[in-house]
Order: sequence, then structure tokens, then C-alpha cells
Amino acid sequence: DAGVIQSPRHEVTEMGQEVTLRCKPISGHDYLFWYRQTMMRGLELLIYFNNNVPIDDSGMPEDRFSAKMPNASFSTLKIQPSEPRDSAVYFCASSSNKEQYFGPGTRLTVT
Amino acid sequence: AQKITQTQPGMFVQEKEAVTLDCTYDTSDQSYGLFWYKQPSSGEMIFLIYQGSYDEQNATEGRYSLNFQKARKSANLVISASQLGDSAMYFCAMRAEGYSTLTFGKGTMLLVSP
Repeated sequence: DAGVIQSPRHEVTEMGQEVTLRCKPISGHDYLFWYRQTMMRGLELLIYFNNNVPIDDSGMPEDRFSAKMPNASFSTLKIQPSEPRDSAVYFCASSSNKEQYFGPGTRLTVT
Repeated sequence: AQKITQTQPGMFVQEKEAVTLDCTYDTSDQSYGLFWYKQPSSGEMIFLIYQGSYDEQNATEGRYSLNFQKARKSANLVISASQLGDSAMYFCAMRAEGYSTLTFGKGTMLLVSP
């Protein structure tokens, strides 16, 4: 099992640019979660999907953030336009019932 | 609402010793699950162990065990025979029955010295 796959692993971009983070969940998992981790705020849940349907996006910081899950094996988190305060590690996680399995994360730096 | 409290920002232990990382939780739900994750300096979040609120025995996974005291609402992680590779941040989390999301604590940094 390849685990949760995220790309890119590192992203450096300039303020105002669009950023797209990608996630491939573990096959057979019907839940997918996007988290953001910073030193100041810790681990925050941004949004999660069940069977490709967004269930709770109350953690999405603002309209600049959007997430999609067009099929069971792929999800994207998009930030447009990006700002320096978006710099963080973004994790994708998937689960089928109990524990969530996390991807390696994408370290985003917005300059 | 659920809340996880990890009161130890940092812990130090010598190699081969056992260490206990504290976790207390607050919930009004009767059925819930408790989880521990490890985050080494490389950044990935690694699932370690799970305890269900109705499980009669404490969970164990290799050198990890969960000291579950339901009445005290605590779910401490015990690592036996610490290894240098155990140095990492450790997060306690919980999920209530009927919910899909995890509530995480702020974490405890464990440093294992030779």
C-alpha cells in the first residue's frame, strides 16, 4: 500500500500566485481530510470529504481557499491568491473508519 | 464539544527508559475513540495506537501502550524501552461517536538522549 500521496512536497511561490496542492488518498478510504499546521496555530482541520462530497468546510480560512474531490482517488486544495500568512505545512489524510492516515505533507512558503 | 489537553510541552528521557506522555480529554459523549500520533522532525504524522471508550483492555502496539482511565478521562501514552528514534512530537487526539473528525491536542515534544 502506497499510503496517502501528496504533491508537491515543497512549494515556494510569490504572493498573489495561485497554488494547487494535490492528494491521492489510500484506495478504499471514503473520508479525506485537509489540514494545515503552523507553529502558532498547531494542526487545523480545513475541510473534509465523505464519498467525494464536502461535508464540513468551516475550517477553510477564507474564500481564497477552495477544495475539490472530483473522484475517489484525487483531491486538490487551491489557494488563489496566495499570501505570506498561508505559509504552512498542508496535510492530506484519509480514513475508512477509525484512524486517519496522513500524507507526508506539502510545505508551502509564500514570499 | 471535545477538548484534548496535553500539559507537557516537552519531556526528556534516557535511552532504554520508559516514558509516559499525558493526555486528558473532555467530552460529554459516551462513545468515543482516542488516538496517538507521532510526528518526527521529518514532518510526517504517523498513527501509533487507538483506544475505544468501550474497550475493556488497554491498547498495546509493540512498545506503545495506552493507559486508559475512563473515570479520570485520561489516555496516557506509555513508551517502553525508549529509543533514539522515538524523539519526536506526539499528539493525542479523539473522535466522538458519529463524528468523522479528530480533535487534536497541542502535542508533547519528546527527546530521547543516549
